[in-house]
Amino acid sequence: QVTLKESGPGMLQPSKTLSLTCSFSGFSLSTSGMVVSWIRQPSGKSLEWLAAIDWDGDKYYNPSLKSRLTVSKDTSNTQVFLKITSVDTADTATYYCARRPNWVYWYFDFWGPGTMVTVSS
Amino acid sequence: DIQMTQSPASLSASLGETVTIECRASEDIYNGLAWYQQKPGKSPQLLIYNANSLHTGVPSRFSGSGSGTQYSLKINSLQSEDVASYFCQQYYNYPLTFGSGTKLEIK
Repeated sequence: QVTLKESGPGMLQPSKTLSLTCSFSGFSLSTSGMVVSWIRQPSGKSLEWLAAIDWDGDKYYNPSLKSRLTVSKDTSNTQVFLKITSVDTADTATYYCARRPNWVYWYFDFWGPGTMVTVSS
Repeated sequence: DIQMTQSPASLSASLGETVTIECRASEDIYNGLAWYQQKPGKSPQLLIYNANSLHTGVPSRFSGSGSGTQYSLKINSLQSEDVASYFCQQYYNYPLTFGSGTKLEIK
């Protein structure tokens, strides 16, 4: 059974660095073709793809945010991390991690429940 | 970036009706399109991928079609559990982009 779960600080101040963790089970990120991605959604708005990391450690970023994002994974291939530097109120959103299930197509078949992050002084 | 224009923004229909949601891409995305359903307070759930392939476990009243820049999601025989927001996502090119969403309500 595939599950993903995000965790984060809940609230942080502007200019700080946001650190998020995606813990997953039911699949291994060491499996060829597997990818875990980060996507966020401000309340009442649409979704924005942020970053991804694949089974081989290759990283993919949304160019609009690339300078502020760092995605990584742990050596056991059961967790993926995202750091966002210099946050401001526009980064207030629910952050999801999701699995891309195959080699070729970048759609997401399993999502975590999301973790809400509020940036406020 | 490929822009995804989704319509309508909101939709109200009666139980048993058929509804259609549209997504138009700013360039040809060669069927690289997925549809997601998001119920209030929940994460998105995959419905359709590759424009017209039904994801495992999704009821057959959901279907996707289209090509080039124009795609649609059709829901036949609307059920109360279909109340949700629906999003399209293109994955033909980076960065991946989503439509603005359609909020579906029961009349």
